Amino acid sequence: GAGVSQSPSNKVTEKGKDVELRCDPISGHTALYWYRQSLGQGLEFLIYFQGNSAPDKSGLPSDRFSAERTGGSVSTLTIQRTQQEDSAVYLCASSSRGLWGEAFFGQGTRLTVV
Amino acid sequence: AQKVTQAQTEISVVEKEDVTLDCVYETRDTTYYLFWYKQPPSGELVFLIRRNSFDEQNEISGRYSWNFQKSTSSFNFTITASQVVDSAVYFCALSEATSEKLVFGKGTKLTVNP
Repeated sequence: GAGVSQSPSNKVTEKGKDVELRCDPISGHTALYWYRQSLGQGLEFLIYFQGNSAPDKSGLPSDRFSAERTGGSVSTLTIQRTQQEDSAVYLCASSSRGLWGEAFFGQGTRLTVV
Repeated sequence: AQKVTQAQTEISVVEKEDVTLDCVYETRDTTYYLFWYKQPPSGELVFLIRRNSFDEQNEISGRYSWNFQKSTSSFNFTITASQVVDSAVYFCALSEATSEKLVFGKGTKLTVNP
């Protein structure tokens, strides 16, 4: 497709389980971002990948969160030992020139931890 | 530190009214970028505009206009002759030139009633 694709669109998991969220950016976009949107918390930056540079992980809330980007394309956000406070919509965005260019967002993955 | 404040949590107007969404930002950098995004009920964030800190010219795009005033650290967004399709949550965001992170405000939910 032409846009940023995220999967799954919805995920319900039990507390303590690990989850993986996937993001397929727009082809050719070198910059990729993960954000989290919680009720009452707005949009929270998690991590940023740009080309082959070391990612900016400064927004990851704990060491239970990690992300990788393979081959400069697909990215996976992994949350280990999920907690109820991890429930949120996880949004991915990509851009051709970092924030010099327009960032296109996917429709997000709604994660519910029960 | 970067901060974006959208004081209006929710606004409700009747179709054809003009409406202004306020955005106030804080940054220590002299070079930064300001953004507005629209999030319709479908959930996907849609880019509306990006301005850099050196360009204070107001911008008009159809029924949309933006007023950037560095003196008051504001970047307000006006919709003229609002339509029902304008109903969405609107986010203002800031990025400092030294960082690729977009820092978002908490958003303003706009409802346009027929």
